[in-house]
Amino acid sequence: NAGVTQTPKFQVLKTGQSMTLQCAQDMNHNSMYWYRQDPGMGLRLIYYSASEGTTDKGEVPNGYNVSRLNKREFSLRLESAAPSQTSVYFCASTFRTGGDEQYFGPGTRLTVT
Amino acid sequence: AQSVTQLGSHVSVSEGALVLLRCNYSSSVPPYLFWYVQYPNQGLQLLLKYTTGATLVKGINGFEAEFKKSETSFHLTKPSAHMSDAAEYFCAVTLGGSARQLTFGSGTQLTVLP
Repeated sequence: NAGVTQTPKFQVLKTGQSMTLQCAQDMNHNSMYWYRQDPGMGLRLIYYSASEGTTDKGEVPNGYNVSRLNKREFSLRLESAAPSQTSVYFCASTFRTGGDEQYFGPGTRLTVT
Repeated sequence: AQSVTQLGSHVSVSEGALVLLRCNYSSSVPPYLFWYVQYPNQGLQLLLKYTTGATLVKGINGFEAEFKKSETSFHLTKPSAHMSDAAEYFCAVTLGGSARQLTFGSGTQLTVLP
């Protein structure tokens, strides 16, 4: 099993450009998450999908959209990138919400100039 | 609302010394608690978790943590540090049951000195 995979690993965007970060898991998990990690702030939840067909906002959703394409895939879209969105983005998945472990992908390092 | 405070953004210990990383939480209902480790340029990996039952939880790589409800704490310890323990450690909390959001602390960078 590959676990949670993310593409791309690195990306540089200019302000105003758009892009989609891709995430896929092969563990038959129901719930998927997108986080951003900034120095000194831990991980903050952007959006999550508790099950296929549902998505909900997390702590910092502004400037992002998500799509739960199917049970395996959960994408994050930046419609008009801003320098404040420079960060490392992690996708995670879990079988059930609540007490189950979340499994993390390797991350996407995004720089917006 | 739930929150997590990790005391000390940087901790240094000598190889072979005790590791103690502190985590305090606030939660209106009994929480589930987690410790994750992040090695450079990698994602997060679960060290251990507390959901219910025994309050002393053992995890991977010799780490353990004790849930103390009266102190709202979930400190991470390891009796003897190894060079390979150098990493960033995150404490996280979620409410029990069907709660959907995991809230992370700001992280503690552990340095192990030879």
